[in-house]
Amino acid sequence: ELKVEQNPLFLSMQEGKNYTIYCNYSTTSDRLYWYRQDPGKSLESLFVLLSNGAVKQEGRLMASLDTKARLSTLHITAAVHDLSATYFCAVSNNAGNMLTFGGGTRLMVKP
Amino acid sequence: EPEVTQTPSHQVTQMGQEVILRCVPISNHLYFYWYRQILGQKVEFLVSFYNNEISEKSEIFDDQFSVERPDGSNFTLKIRSTKLEDSAMYFCASSEGRARGTIYFGEGSWLTVV
Repeated sequence: ELKVEQNPLFLSMQEGKNYTIYCNYSTTSDRLYWYRQDPGKSLESLFVLLSNGAVKQEGRLMASLDTKARLSTLHITAAVHDLSATYFCAVSNNAGNMLTFGGGTRLMVKP
Repeated sequence: EPEVTQTPSHQVTQMGQEVILRCVPISNHLYFYWYRQILGQKVEFLVSFYNNEISEKSEIFDDQFSVERPDGSNFTLKIRSTKLEDSAMYFCASSEGRARGTIYFGEGSWLTVV
């Protein structure tokens, strides 16, 4: 059974600081997704990582995937208040028809 | 930008009643999914659907649940006899292919069972 763990579960940071969210998973997969969720809202797709060593950047967020270590990171550069949300990673099974989500990281960026 | 739409946005139902949640996936997508999120918890997979049949389902998706694509646009989740623990946000999602590209999620349907 695929297990996905994120840490930290909660992150409070000051604006302008950098931080990294980690996503570990238990079985082989080369497809990993990052989503953002605002309270009471849907899941907004941030990144799709489809191969070992994949790195994608959008604004202040950068995601990477190391399939050998079964680890993905979401790095936040110079955080701003608008980035406050819950971030989920999700790993696809080998058949590509199911995502297993991590527990989420609730990010709060203080002015 | 195309989007997945869901109705209703919120439904309150009595325990034991049947509920149908409706979704209109993005028009050229071939894979459809239902996920749920109990308040404050992580998102859980329920079922995936392709070519008019279930492709994968989780342990949560027992005989109480069913999915259907009754016409060319709608994708429905039916919960036959609701229980209190079915209270959750139910998300529909769709994708063009199998997990090689973005999986788009709808806004969700809040189900409250009383």
